[in-house]
Amino acid sequence: EAQVTQNPRYLITVTGKKLTVTCSQNMNHEYMSWYRQDPGLGLRQIYYSMNVEVTDKGDVPEGYKVSRKEKRNFPLILESPSPNQTSLYFCASRFLGRTGSIGYTFGSGTRLTVV
Amino acid sequence: GENVEQHPSTLSVQEGDSAVIKCTYSDSASNYFPWYKQELGKGPQLIIDIRSNVGEKKDQRIAVTLNKTAKHFSLHITETQPEDSAVYFCAASLAFTGGGNKLTFGTGTQLKVEL
Repeated sequence: EAQVTQNPRYLITVTGKKLTVTCSQNMNHEYMSWYRQDPGLGLRQIYYSMNVEVTDKGDVPEGYKVSRKEKRNFPLILESPSPNQTSLYFCASRFLGRTGSIGYTFGSGTRLTVV
Repeated sequence: GENVEQHPSTLSVQEGDSAVIKCTYSDSASNYFPWYKQELGKGPQLIIDIRSNVGEKKDQRIAVTLNKTAKHFSLHITETQPEDSAVYFCAASLAFTGGGNKLTFGTGTQLKVEL
């Protein structure tokens, strides 16, 4: 089954304790992205990756890092989490077809609470 | 950058009625407009999309219209059913470029279909 898998689904951590949220896709997509979802704000892009070893900042990158060492994985790293990073996080991958088709597949989300 | 506004934030309809959600975008270069449905505890799922060279697209009970001149697009759901209850997001994107194109999301509409 084609899917984007995120882990963990739920995480409660303390301020300053480094954490990593993993994301993996099995569709061989080149493009992957991280979003955070907050009430009243919709989904905002944190970082994206056009391909292996190619990453760039989205709209709200402060406090986050990413890496793309292999095509299928795109982990989100919070070096020193703070309470304002409490949010619902989504990883997504995207294909662009030769005939112009386009599609994004989202993971099921990671609900992070920083206390 | 792109800015997408979405209205209303909540919408309650009776089963069998129609529901309309409206979005406006700011970047006239955007050319791809998807709609996502997010059910509780799940990631957004694409339900329909439209490109800038098309004014309307239908898929069974769902339709999307696009007015490029006014820079707005709308989602229409007819004969609503309880399973249509969810949060709906519109998005805009500049697709088919070599740059880091992304989805810019609206803030979401909580649709409730009442029996």
